Amino acid sequence: GDSVTQTEGLVTLTKGLPVMLNCTYQTTYSPFLFWYVQHLNEAPKLLLKSSTDNKRTEHQGFYATLHKSSSSFHLQKSSVQLSDSALYFCAMSNYNVLYFGSGTKLTVEP
Amino acid sequence: AQTIHQWPVAEIKAVGSPLSLGCTIKGKSSPNLYWYWQATGGTLQQLFYSITVGQVESVVQLNLSASRPKDDQFILSTEKLLLSHSGFYLCAWSPDWGGEQFFGPGTRLTVL
Repeated sequence: GDSVTQTEGLVTLTKGLPVMLNCTYQTTYSPFLFWYVQHLNEAPKLLLKSSTDNKRTEHQGFYATLHKSSSSFHLQKSSVQLSDSALYFCAMSNYNVLYFGSGTKLTVEP
Repeated sequence: AQTIHQWPVAEIKAVGSPLSLGCTIKGKSSPNLYWYWQATGGTLQQLFYSITVGQVESVVQLNLSASRPKDDQFILSTEKLLLSHSGFYLCAWSPDWGGEQFFGPGTRLTVL
């Protein structure tokens, strides 16, 4: 069935370092992929989206490339900031249903 | 601009009591509407979706029901709450199929 896998549950980094959060998916359809960010006690907000193979998409310093050959949509940033501390979800849309990964909690330390 | 409002902001309810949560979207006609549940610190699970008034489809069974009485309104309810219903309930909308969904502020439910 359709699913999204995020392998890192917790990531702790020092401010200024690069980060990559992994996301792989499984589906028989041609999907839309998304990254959502959720700060404590807030609703998830869309960070990135893509349905185009091998095209890099960027927003607020974060970027990701959808690779259909490896079913991946990893999230990256070259230099994390304290304000990036949050819960990050990778999600995949199959028409009416949005499948979320288990989430990665990113903590950025001074 | 579209705005999405959820009510109440938070609820504390007893096991076995009824529940009704609401969601309203303004500024968009005929949106696709969705309900999600999130355990504290956990992932989001889609519960229901609706593409038009009066039509609601269930994604998972959690002893909850949903209704769409108006184009801009989506209601989540149950007649008997369980402890496992505690969590964060989020309403979302999207302008079309397969695209991004935009989330409301959520309702935090505690069942005691």
